[in-house]
Amino acid sequence: AQTVTQSQPEMSVQEAETVTLSCTYDTSESNYYLFWYKQPPSRQMILVIRQEAYKQQNATENRFSVNFQKAAKSFSLKISDSQLGDTAMYFCAFIGTGNQFYFGTGTSLTVIP
Amino acid sequence: DVKVTQSSRYLVKRTGEKVFLECVQDMDHENMFWYRQDPGLGLRLIYFSYDVKMKEKGDIPEGYSVSREKKERFSLILESASTNQTSMYLCASSPIPSSYNSPLHFGNGTRLTVT
Repeated sequence: AQTVTQSQPEMSVQEAETVTLSCTYDTSESNYYLFWYKQPPSRQMILVIRQEAYKQQNATENRFSVNFQKAAKSFSLKISDSQLGDTAMYFCAFIGTGNQFYFGTGTSLTVIP
Repeated sequence: DVKVTQSSRYLVKRTGEKVFLECVQDMDHENMFWYRQDPGLGLRLIYFSYDVKMKEKGDIPEGYSVSREKKERFSLILESASTNQTSMYLCASSPIPSSYNSPLHFGNGTRLTVT
């Protein structure tokens, strides 16, 4: 069975600083996809960034980047130059060869002005 | 842009009522999902469907059923609502197979309170 673990229930960061959210997963599959989703307060869950397991290069989307360590089964999210609008719940997610997504328990990030 | 629409943002129901949560997507996606979101537990899959009239149980199907009579619509049914079903319910859709280019697309969520 696939599992996704986010060990940081809550985090905070000063505006303009950098923060890293951790995610580890467990799977026996060799090819899979990893995602970070963002859920702002009372708003829709949206995709932040995605990574395909066979691609060694870490994905980057503007201020968001990942550190993908396949051997360690680690997929952390780095947010640079944090903005107030980054305050949200962040979920790490995994999908393998099946149609089912697996989610972590989430990290609540607060950006402090 | 993919649009996933959940019919209600907030619902308050009484214990024992039959509750319908409706979800419609406009991108002809094969897969549709119902998740329950609770603090500290993340998103837990209730049911999913990969085709019309097809359904598969997720991790927590007890007390729920689903209906998919049309490709664009996926309904979650609480046969007899109980207070422990008070939660945020999220609908999502994706094409088959879900992949890098086709992640989940979520609705706005329905916050259900059962009193």
